[in-house]
Amino acid sequence: IAGITQAPTSQILAAGRRMTLRCTQDMRHNAMYWYRQDLGLGLRLIHYSNTAGTTGKGEVPDGYSVSRANTDDFPLTLASAVPSQTSVYFCASSRDWAGTQYFGPGTRLTVL
Amino acid sequence: GQQVMQIPQYQHVQEGEDFTTYCNSSTTLSNIQWYKQRPGGHPVFLIQLVKSGEVKKQKRLTFQFGEAKKNSSLHITATQTTDVGTYFCAGRPQEGAAGNKLTFGGGTRVLVKP
Repeated sequence: IAGITQAPTSQILAAGRRMTLRCTQDMRHNAMYWYRQDLGLGLRLIHYSNTAGTTGKGEVPDGYSVSRANTDDFPLTLASAVPSQTSVYFCASSRDWAGTQYFGPGTRLTVL
Repeated sequence: GQQVMQIPQYQHVQEGEDFTTYCNSSTTLSNIQWYKQRPGGHPVFLIQLVKSGEVKKQKRLTFQFGEAKKNSSLHITATQTTDVGTYFCAGRPQEGAAGNKLTFGGGTRVLVKP
């Protein structure tokens, strides 16, 4: 692994189903982030983690949860997916809270 | 909360021409970052501005941070087809404000006519 990876690349999901988007980085970055990108709305922060073991809410956290059990992994879970969660999801990491953010390739999620 | 606005939302440019995109924050910033996202790709960091009035250049791209640290601009000269993509600014408020989180603007989508 080099950099930051996300899985799956894309997913079609029935409403009401539970889904976990995976994010892994090998840069030993302390901070990690989840964004959603919708046309015309730019990138909106869902949740973040300053360091392993801590998480915080971003701008649009409702319907999503995260965990940060270790430095490398930062999964995003949709407990019960709804159509409004159809979006492209980007995971990002930075060496520290104020640092440059490096983005993963994204996950395109469609909720029907 | 903090808001970051970018204008224009779309920019159609003739190849070889210059254009400027603007970024405005509702609050004073400690720094501002710019990212570029190619079609179908992910955002990639371009530059960070920290000082009031700072100007930085990357080849044909010129970035400026306003004197009041509430706005920024990106100017591209002699646009090329490789400049196609969406340019995002992202502002970080002064330390202690709004959780010091980076807030992205809505982006300027640049289309180049050959």
